[in-house]
Amino acid sequence: DTGVSQDPRHKITKRGQNVTFRCDPISEHNRLYWYRQTLGQGPEFLTYFQNEAQLEKSRLLSDRFSAERPKGSFSTLEIQRTEQGDSAMYLCASSLDQGVRETQYFGPGTRLLVL
Amino acid sequence: SQQGEEDPQALSIQEGENATMNCSYKTSINNLQWYRQNSGRGLVHLILIRSNEREKHSGRLRVTLDTSKKSSSLLITASRAADTASYFCATVRRSGASGSRLTFGEGTQLTVNP
Repeated sequence: DTGVSQDPRHKITKRGQNVTFRCDPISEHNRLYWYRQTLGQGPEFLTYFQNEAQLEKSRLLSDRFSAERPKGSFSTLEIQRTEQGDSAMYLCASSLDQGVRETQYFGPGTRLLVL
Repeated sequence: SQQGEEDPQALSIQEGENATMNCSYKTSINNLQWYRQNSGRGLVHLILIRSNEREKHSGRLRVTLDTSKKSSSLLITASRAADTASYFCATVRRSGASGSRLTFGEGTQLTVNP
């Protein structure tokens, strides 16, 4: 257990529905990252927060995706009008700003299946 | 897109043997990290090596980095069945206020047979 939690752990939804995932980082960590991982692949970066500010977004993050980190604590990732191609593991990671020594601690992930 | 490429994609060894996994990348980096992932679970950080370092050890792990060849290797000595997992290298191109997004390779699936 890294101290990063994600909820839910599994989500099955029908195409076209909206889903929201939550990530609770390690409490003193000011940085929070979201990644997506499909079967047999490495994780791919989606977006990054420094405190409450969303500072970077990947081109993978289409306009159907939105992420927030109110008050710089927990974060939510919402997918609107889900598509089958959204089926993946969504991973959250948190870290402290430590320059070249920064280490990200990952949560257990939320596995999404879109039918 | 994935920057790193791990080699081999899959590795099967007997308990007690050493396992070596390689990673290549394409751009300049600030650091390179290795992560482990058990099936269907989150990633666990193993070791970080900065771009100005050549070798690092942590317990049974040894990581090397050759920035001239843009490659790294992870050696696990005296492997155990519990080491069975996927291993990923991840690079960080820059760090600081802009964050340290990780770019992962596709991973090596290691199976250690008892």
